[in-house]
Amino acid sequence: DTGVSQDPRHKITKRGQNVTFRCDPISEHNRLYWYRQTLGQGPEFLTYFQNEAQLEKSRLLSDRFSAERPKGSFSTLEIQRTEQGDSAMYLCASSSTGVGNSPLHFGNGTRLTVT
Amino acid sequence: GDSVTQMEGPVTLSEEAFLTINCTYTATGYPSLFWYVQYPGEGLQLLLKATKADDKGSNKGFEATYRKETTSFHLEKGSVQVSDSAVYFCALSDQSGNTGKLIFGQGTTLQVKP
Repeated sequence: DTGVSQDPRHKITKRGQNVTFRCDPISEHNRLYWYRQTLGQGPEFLTYFQNEAQLEKSRLLSDRFSAERPKGSFSTLEIQRTEQGDSAMYLCASSSTGVGNSPLHFGNGTRLTVT
Repeated sequence: GDSVTQMEGPVTLSEEAFLTINCTYTATGYPSLFWYVQYPGEGLQLLLKATKADDKGSNKGFEATYRKETTSFHLEKGSVQVSDSAVYFCALSDQSGNTGKLIFGQGTTLQVKP
């Protein structure tokens, strides 16, 4: 169990640029989640995948945000035309289904700063 | 919709003091309840969980009991250490659609002084 891995750890970008983050879940986990966390707040759900299918998206996920999990393994989260309000920690988590859903295992996050 | 409310922080305690962090929830159905901890510079780690009413979750000296009648899941520890300084998040599992997703409270910062 190597844990959930996120890359990069930090990203600084200028307003209007596009950014892409990557998440590698725990290998046997079929569910993958993206959350956003701003300073002093708890994580807020953005979207989740079961295998390669994106099954739910939050209203927080504007049209500028897109997530993929093409082969049911790693996932990417892209933000187009970034805005200063997008500055946050983006967290990825994974879990498995089956008898008794496993709890979510989180990565260390990608901190995005939009200048 | 479902929600979680935690006590405001920061909570500042001396080493070996007793800790309580309050958590209450609003939910339809019977969610599972969780406490996660986030140490500085790290991701969230599961601390403990309870899946049904009257269950007690425990780990590393921390405990929380699922109280359906008061819709609460308060975190307690009998004697805190400096190394317990972190942000603690209470969460519940969303019962709609069997997604497994969690809904989090806003977090409570704990500072333990030697």
